[in-house]
Amino acid sequence: QQQVKQSPQSLIVQKGGIPIINCAYENTAFDYFPWYQQFPGKGPALLIAIRPDVSEKKEGRFTISFNKSAKQFSLHIMDSQPGDSATYFCAASLSQGGKLIFGQGTELSVKP
Amino acid sequence: NAGVTQTPKFRVLKTGQSMTLLCAQDMNHEYMYWYRQDPGMGLRLIHYSVGEGTTAKGEVPDGYNVSRLKKQNFLLGLESAAPSQTSVYFCASSYWVLDTEAFFGQGTRLTVV
Repeated sequence: QQQVKQSPQSLIVQKGGIPIINCAYENTAFDYFPWYQQFPGKGPALLIAIRPDVSEKKEGRFTISFNKSAKQFSLHIMDSQPGDSATYFCAASLSQGGKLIFGQGTELSVKP
Repeated sequence: NAGVTQTPKFRVLKTGQSMTLLCAQDMNHEYMYWYRQDPGMGLRLIHYSVGEGTTAKGEVPDGYNVSRLKKQNFLLGLESAAPSQTSVYFCASSYWVLDTEAFFGQGTRLTVV
């Protein structure tokens, strides 16, 4: 049973486009929602994160939108660049319990 | 500052063999995790630890054991490897889960033949 479901599995956009990656979670006790970026051959690295008490967070070209009632959150990449081509993972965690659960990942390709 | 170091980086095992993957972190983090990454499955949590001497099961713990005898090290053991355990394994650590970044190692690519 996947506690965090991510879509799409892969995404191709042109340079300058706005790719959107969506995630849905089941456990309403989750209270921290990070996104990680992974380049080939490397470990994932934190990109941006949000708490459920806000509906949106923006850092540079990356924006998280959060819908608590729908138990969904999404990542938007503004003005995407070929260097953004990577695998993106959403995740969710509990303030108590120590688990950090990841979604299935989205392989993003930004074409020049 | 090395961060999170995993050894080995690559390994090929025969079915039924055993091995231990070592994860070491030099950031004095309390929390440590072992994940496996498979195509289309994302990162799945195998086991995790919230402090020295503690371990807990994650999403896919069967066939694996772990130990955290020292705060800086987290060992993942496969007692009798199976082809289904062919995967890329990642270790991560953090101060604790909420609002803090988890730092990942470079991964161990394990093939069981």
